[in-house]
Amino acid sequence: AQTVTQSQPEMSVQEAETVTLSCTYDTSENNYYLFWYKQPPSRQMILVIRQEAYKQQNATENRFSVNFQKAAKSFSLKISDSQLGDTAMYFCAFIQSNFGNEKLTFGTGTRLTIIP
Amino acid sequence: DTAVSQTPKYLVTQMGNDKSIKCEQNLGHDTMYWYKQDSKKFLKIMFSYNNKELIINETVPNRFSPKSPDKAHLNLHINSLELGDSAVYFCASSPSLTGRYGYTFGSGTRLTVV
Repeated sequence: AQTVTQSQPEMSVQEAETVTLSCTYDTSENNYYLFWYKQPPSRQMILVIRQEAYKQQNATENRFSVNFQKAAKSFSLKISDSQLGDTAMYFCAFIQSNFGNEKLTFGTGTRLTIIP
Repeated sequence: DTAVSQTPKYLVTQMGNDKSIKCEQNLGHDTMYWYKQDSKKFLKIMFSYNNKELIINETVPNRFSPKSPDKAHLNLHINSLELGDSAVYFCASSPSLTGRYGYTFGSGTRLTVV
């Protein structure tokens, strides 16, 4: 079974600084996809960024970028120039896509607080 | 135009009651899901449907019964509610079973059983 581990339950950083959230996963498969989701206090689950395992290039979306290390099974999220609106729970998620009946598996989340 | 909409957003009910949560998506997606988020924020899949067909049924008590009248709707009915059922329930959808583009989530239903 695939597992996703987020070892940082909570983090805080000053506004405008850069912060990196860690995620590791375990799989024996070669074809899979990784995601970071953001859950602000409003409870909505928002897709932040997506990475395809077969692509070596790290995904970026504006201030959000990932460091994908396939051999190490690591998928960290970097938030640059952090803003107050980045305060949220962040979930790393994994899905393998070989059989068509897979499920998105989430880590336990990291609560990120941006300090004014 | 809400992509995945759930109703109600909040539900407070007594133990032993039966309740339903409704979900609709207007994205034209083929696959829909129910997730449960517990008090520690852990998200766990309960069910998935593809074009009205049940695909995933995790180890969920049979008091929980999903129903998909068409591929745009996936409802969750819960019988004989228990205190441990208190959680946030999320509906989600994806274009296909592969889920390679991630899921689009509804805003969740906070269920409180008293």
